[in-house]
Order: sequence, then C-alpha cells, then structure tokens
Amino acid sequence: DAKTTQPPSMDCAEGRAANLPCNHSTISGNEYVYWYRQIHSQGPQYIIHGLKNNETNEMASLIITEDRKSSTLILPHATLRDTAVYYCIVRVAANTGNQFYFGTGTSLTVIP
Amino acid sequence: NAGVTQTPKFRILKIGQSMTLQCAQDMNHNYMYWYRQDPGMGLKLIYYSVGAGITDKGEVPNGYNVSRSTTEDFPLRLELAAPSQTSVYFCASKADMLGTEAFFGQGTRLTVV
Repeated sequence: DAKTTQPPSMDCAEGRAANLPCNHSTISGNEYVYWYRQIHSQGPQYIIHGLKNNETNEMASLIITEDRKSSTLILPHATLRDTAVYYCIVRVAANTGNQFYFGTGTSLTVIP
Repeated sequence: NAGVTQTPKFRILKIGQSMTLQCAQDMNHNYMYWYRQDPGMGLKLIYYSVGAGITDKGEVPNGYNVSRSTTEDFPLRLELAAPSQTSVYFCASKADMLGTEAFFGQGTRLTVV
C-alpha cells in the first residue's frame, strides 16, 4: 500500500524555488515525514525530515500542514545539480522495528 | 568513516545460480535494510533487521534470504537467481533513535541472464 502520493515529474527553472508536494493523508501522530533524493542510480541521499513543525537546513525547507496530511519540500534556489528523483517517506513503526517504505517519487528536472 | 559499504558493485548471474550481496556498516547502527530498485521505479523494501539475530520481511521478500549474526553485517542471499531479480540493490542502516536519518550504500547492480 502506498504511504505517500507525489506527482511523477516536475520542472523548475534554474535559480527559482522548487516546491515539491507530498500527500500523506493517513499519517499517524508519531510518524515522521522524511525526504530523500536520488541522483542517477546512486544511493538515496537524506535531505530533511520533520514531525509537526516546519524545518530548514542548508539544503532545503520542509513545510508540513497543520493537519499533517501533506507537506512540501522547498529547494530555495534550484541548480542543475538538483535534478534528481525526490522521495517523500512516512516512517512506519512496525511491531519489531521501523520500516522505511519508498514510493515512486517525483522526478525533478531543473532547466537552464 | 566508511558508512555503509556494499559489495560487489556489479554482478552478472546465470539463471539458477546463487550469490550473496554483502552489506557492512561501521556506525554501530541496530537497524539495517535491503531495498531493490527496478529501472525507472522507486525503492522497494526486501528485508530489514532491528538488531543482531532479528530479521523481518518487507514488501518483496520472495526469492531472498537474510541473516544478521553481527551488528555490522547484513548479507542478502539469492538462492536461485531469476531474471526478475535483475535490479539495483541498496543497503541502508539507521540508528535506534526516533527521527534519525538512514544512511545508504552505493548499490549493487545485479543482472540475471
């Protein structure tokens, strides 16, 4: 079962902000929202995560709606090197551990 | 600091052959994961482990086996390779704490012919 829903692809002009949406309408109160990205076939790279509050780090900002049913990853000034597949992940707590389930992600293309 | 190390990077198997994909981490993480990624698709969880001696199935465990005899190592075994197992395999590890990030290896590209 899909835990998150993301648009399959997006374009963004270089230097502009890239806003990547994610729907996680069945999220539970103690589940975090994580964002990873994958460039070509390299291993996924951690970007940011959050629970309730908005978060910001050197790579991106994460905006989580008040009802926590959706979130947006913001890359403030997209560069060509930000072209990648971005995964929004809800961390599911199973009985014996924490499973990370990945959806199909959003393929972001930054256009010169 | 090596992080998560996967070997081999590439492998070609014949149908019916067996092999073990190695994964090692040096961060003393209890949680380890195996994913596969088919061309143009997202990652799918195969197996995971929450500590030495404990493993559990993920979304797509059929055709694979794992073991976790030490905290550092989490090998993935393919007993009878099939073309449907052609994929890129990623190993990841994570500390116990809630909200911590997962660290991924660089992947093993496996082709079954």
